[in-house]
Amino acid sequence: ETGVTQTPRHLVMGMTNKKSLKCEQHLGHNAMYWYKQSAKKPLELMFVYSLEERVENNSVPSRFSPECPNSSHLFLHLHTLQPEDSALYLCASSQDLGNTEAFFGQGTRLTVV
Amino acid sequence: AQSVTQLGSHVSVSEGALVLLRCNYSSSVPPYLFWYVQYPNQGLQLLLKYTSAATLVKGINGFEAEFKKSETSFHLTKPSAHMSDAAEYFCAVSDRGSSNTGKLIFGQGTTLQVKP
Repeated sequence: ETGVTQTPRHLVMGMTNKKSLKCEQHLGHNAMYWYKQSAKKPLELMFVYSLEERVENNSVPSRFSPECPNSSHLFLHLHTLQPEDSALYLCASSQDLGNTEAFFGQGTRLTVV
Repeated sequence: AQSVTQLGSHVSVSEGALVLLRCNYSSSVPPYLFWYVQYPNQGLQLLLKYTSAATLVKGINGFEAEFKKSETSFHLTKPSAHMSDAAEYFCAVSDRGSSNTGKLIFGQGTTLQVKP
């Protein structure tokens, strides 16, 4: 148990569906992150939130839409995805931005059909 | 800009043998460096981190890493491999540039296989 919980663990969706990934942390951290992990590629940072404000959008297509309603929750809203978006999506949190280590959730395995 | 290179996408060792996973980094500022481990169907777990204190860093599960500025390396070692060490290992450098977003830049990962 890392203190960062992601739901669902697995998700299969069609290209016309709309779904959301949820991340929750009760570590009292101020920063939260979405990463994408694809086969044979390094982890890619997608979004960074600090104190509920987005501080980085790493050139992510608009079909991915993050939401951070409070410091404990982070969502990733998905719509009209492509098969190449199939990947493991990892949420992480850290005490603050900068040099503190990130704590990762177990990820959501997304398959787009 | 920072970058990380992990030499060898797959490393295979026998149980009880030395584990050496290689990581080289590139950074324009003094780096913060991390090693993470990922077991199948799990998220990433921090093994150890270097944040400009002692150059030899000890982590969990008997792993350690040494920061060598002259070689821009941060190799991960363990004297004696256990079967339970089989996993994927990621080296990462933290973005400490002007943006300072806490962005972790990861290497491509090294899969460690431990043979009985």
